[in-house]
Amino acid sequence: GNSVTQMEGPVTLSEEAFLTINCTYTATGYPSLFWYVQYPGEGLQLLLKATKADDKGSNKGFEATYRKETTSFHLEKGSVQVSDSAVYFCALGGATNKLIFGTGTLLAVQP
Amino acid sequence: GAVVSQHPSWVICKSGTSVKIECRSLDFQATTMFWYRQFPKQSLMLMATSNEGSKATYEQGVEKDKFLINHASLTLSTLTVTSAHPEDSSFYICSAREAAGGTDTQYFGPGTRLTVL
Repeated sequence: GNSVTQMEGPVTLSEEAFLTINCTYTATGYPSLFWYVQYPGEGLQLLLKATKADDKGSNKGFEATYRKETTSFHLEKGSVQVSDSAVYFCALGGATNKLIFGTGTLLAVQP
Repeated sequence: GAVVSQHPSWVICKSGTSVKIECRSLDFQATTMFWYRQFPKQSLMLMATSNEGSKATYEQGVEKDKFLINHASLTLSTLTVTSAHPEDSSFYICSAREAAGGTDTQYFGPGTRLTVL
């Protein structure tokens, strides 16, 4: 079945550091891939998405590229801020429109 | 972007009582809504898919008689936790699927924290 594997956290970085959160997936067909962010005490917000191979999703300085050959959708940001501290979820969406989430990665950015 | 609200944001109830949680899409119509459960420091687990005008589809292992779902309109789905027990305490999150105008995205509500005493 479909599944998502995310790197475990927490990830602790200093402000302005480079961020990578790894995400790989297993799926049949051609799923859409998503990154959601959950700030403390809040619900999930869609951060970015990609619907087909080689697509690059980007938003708020974050980006991720849909790599079919490596079945990956790694999240990157060139310079993180304290306000980026949150839990980041990689997710896969299939033909049934159900989302399958990874376990989430806590990012803590220190000033 | 699209907004999804949930009510209440938190609720405390006694064991054996029932609790209703509402999920509304505020600026779009959603024929499909989803209910998730999130345990502390864990990922979201899909409980059921709520379809407007028809019965909900439950994931394996989720008791449909305990978690009653009603999707009475294109902007409202409700989850009722019946005869709640302490093990039902959790963070319940809904999402609404917007599929109009070429988009197909799920928007999430802010969640409802249920504590059963």
